[in-house]
Formats: sequence, C-alpha cells, structure tokens
Amino acid sequence: SSELTQDPAVSVALGQTVTITCQGDTLRNYYVGWYQQKPGQAPVLVIYGKNKRPSGIPDRFSGSNSGNTASLTITRAQAEDEADYYCNSRDSSGGHVVFGGGTKLTVL
Amino acid sequence: EIQLVESGGHLVQPGGSLRLSCAASGFTFNTYAMNWVRQAPGKGLEWVSSVSASGATTYYGDSVKGRFTISRDNSKNTLFLQMDSLAAEDTSVYYCAKAITMIPRDFYYMEVWGKGTTVTVSS
Repeated sequence: SSELTQDPAVSVALGQTVTITCQGDTLRNYYVGWYQQKPGQAPVLVIYGKNKRPSGIPDRFSGSNSGNTASLTITRAQAEDEADYYCNSRDSSGGHVVFGGGTKLTVL
Repeated sequence: EIQLVESGGHLVQPGGSLRLSCAASGFTFNTYAMNWVRQAPGKGLEWVSSVSASGATTYYGDSVKGRFTISRDNSKNTLFLQMDSLAAEDTSVYYCAKAITMIPRDFYYMEVWGKGTTVTVSS
C-alpha cells in the first residue's frame, strides 16, 4: 500500500490563512478526505472529494489538488481550528485506505 | 441524529480475542459502507477495515489481515470487528465510522465517528 506524507507541524497567526499539504502517488488517482481531531475527541471530516464540505463545516475550510499533492486551506484561522489534521485516501490498488501521519496546527 | 456507539473493548492478554460492536442509529444503516479506524496512544490514525453496505465486500489493512474480521448485521444496525491473535501493537482506541455517501467507491470518506472503545493488549 502507498503512503501519504504530511508535515508534522504547521503554525498560523490568528486571522491569517494556512495551507496543510498531503503528498502521495495515489493522489494522482484518488481524492482525499481531510479530518480535524482535537485532543480527546473523535476525528471530524472537514473536506472530501473535489473540495466538498460536510454539513456544518465553515466555508473557511477548502481543499484543492494538484498532481500528487492535496491541500487543505483554512482562511481567517480561529483559535478553535487548533487541532491535528489528517488526510486519507485509497491506495493505488484501491483495496486499502491510507491515512497521512497528521499535521499539528498551532494558531498563534 | 446519527449516532455510532462502540463497545466491547477491554484488557486482553496477548494471543487473545475480542469482538467489538458498533451500534448505529439515525440513518439507513444498510445503505452505507462502514469502517473501523484505530489510534494507538499518542499516535496517528490507522485504517483497520471497511465493509460495503451489503456486507459482501470487505477490505483489511495489512497489519490486521488474517487476524481481524469485519462484518455487519443490517437487521440489527450493528457493525462488528472480530479480533483474534491480538498483540501489544493492537493496543488502541478503535473507532467505527460511517461513509458520507452511498457511492461505493467513496467508502473511505468517513463522515460520522463514534467516541471509540479502548482495547489494551497486555499480560
């Protein structure tokens, strides 16, 4: 199965824009899901497919794709956006699901 | 309101077995794929297994294939994970998660998650 690579940590100033990336060869064939996880809580899906937002997710969250890289962009970052963010997708065989290692977002 | 409630996790000795359950409510269970995802203490998310809406198609991660079995009882709105030959590396919080759409190929977009059940494998 293939891997998805994420930067371990990213920081953003309050009110600014931040982009979190996810890289992997399988992303040339499959879109990703992006999940937000706060300490002690279950993950929450924030973006999936071609930039789709589940109900209740603010439009400050958006997704994009280019080649082997998927990106999650958070505009006007808020203190409550501080969390771990994970991407996931299917591997190249389609028979496995893979998660990235996660990115810890700090809002300064 | 859509709810997923996991149960069945507890302390088990290496080599032992456990059966996890996930009770679903608030949606038409038999039309959505379901997933199990685990998270070891202080670690990231690891996909474990997925099952199609009908139960006919199953997928497993390499680390659990041959030891874990996913199944579902659509008449009881319940998802299961039978875990055999447990090892210390299986110690994790186990989450069940519902796919966001009824499109089979999109089973890995996990919209709703339970709160998780903790499995500890130790002698």
